[in-house]
Formats: sequence, C-alpha cells, structure tokens
Amino acid sequence: QSALTQPASVSGSPGQSITISCTGTSSDVGGYNYVSWYQQHPGKAPKLMIYDVTDRPSGVSNRFSGSKSGNTASLTISGLQAEDEADYYCGSYTSSATLVFGGGTKLTVL
Amino acid sequence: EAQLLESGGGLVQPGGSLRLSCAVSGFTFSSYAMSWVRQAPGKGLEWVSVISGSGGNTYYADSVKGRFSISRDNAKNTLDLQMNSLRAEDTAVYYCAKDHWGFRLLSDFDIWGQGTMVTVSS
Repeated sequence: QSALTQPASVSGSPGQSITISCTGTSSDVGGYNYVSWYQQHPGKAPKLMIYDVTDRPSGVSNRFSGSKSGNTASLTISGLQAEDEADYYCGSYTSSATLVFGGGTKLTVL
Repeated sequence: EAQLLESGGGLVQPGGSLRLSCAVSGFTFSSYAMSWVRQAPGKGLEWVSVISGSGGNTYYADSVKGRFSISRDNAKNTLDLQMNSLRAEDTAVYYCAKDHWGFRLLSDFDIWGQGTMVTVSS
C-alpha cells in the first residue's frame, strides 16, 4: 500500500488560510469517507483534528475544516495562528482493511 | 480521561525480538479496536497493525506481516505487539492508538499514547 501524497511543506502568515491536499486512489481516499487528519507538534503524539472527511472532534477549533473531491482530500486552516505550526498527516481506510497515511506536510506560520 | 501508556521499547540487535505493551485506562477497552502506528526518526506515520475489540480479527501492514503479532488482554486492559526478526528499518517510535468508533475498524484514531522508542542496531 503506497502512502497518500501530501505536499512536503506549506506556509502562511498569521490570519491567512492555507489548504493541504492529500491524494490517494479509488481504493482508499476516493472509495471511503473515512479520511482523517492529524496534527503533530515536535516530540509529541499525533492529535486527531478531522475525521470522516469533514467532522471535527470536540475541542478542535472550527478554524480547521476538511473536504474531499474524488481521490483528493483537503484540510483547510483559516485564521492561521502561531500554534498551528506543526506537521499534518492525512489518513484513510483502504480496501485491503488497512490504514494508509500521507507522507506528512510541515506547516510554517511566517 | 482515556489514557494509553506504552512500554517495552529499547535497543535490540538485527534479527532479535521485542515485545511492546500498551496499558489502557479511562474507557471500555473491549469495545474498541486498537492499533499500533510507528514513526521512524524524522519520517512520517506508518500504520502497523490493528486488532478488533474482541481480539478475533487482526490485520497487518505488508512491511511487518509474518514478523509482528498483535494481541490484547481485555481482562487486564492491555495491548501487546510481539516483534520478531527485527530489521534496521523497524527502528521507530511505536504508538498505540484507539479506534474512534466501537462499530467500525480503522476509520481514525482519537486517542494516542506517548510512544516508545525501538532501535534495531548492532
């Protein structure tokens, strides 16, 4: 199972919006609405930010939103804040009853 | 509050074995599937294995199939990962992670442990 494709890095200024893409295939992202997004700060465990493509767990800011079109899912962060600087990973259920992650995207807040 | 605490990591020689454990508290352990996810130094996340709540179903990433074995003890609220025939490329932080939903397998992970480091080197 190949990793989902994410940009290696994205950046934005405080207050701006950024979008991180996550491209897979019809066997994973395109075939199921089980796409999730995780935030990971250095030395810390990942934190669930989005599940089921668009849903936010309790306690996650509504500045984080998710969407999907075909085989590509996206995470949008609006009103960028300094504390959003982190690595972000997408994940998807696959037709092989496994889970595949993206390679990760480093978000820099300028 | 749900908590996961991994243990058992360390330095092991190539070809050796190691057993990781994850102690769980704060939720009904037997109702949820559990996974192991690893992260090599400076690299991304890699899903390793999942076990259903009852323990009756297990699945593995191709990279560890035949070498790793996942198990759970619902009476003791513990999750284990037996790792055999270890290779240098198995070097990583290993996280245990809880499935978000009791009625689905591998949709997403809402609770993660802090991780335990495994180093495979001679």
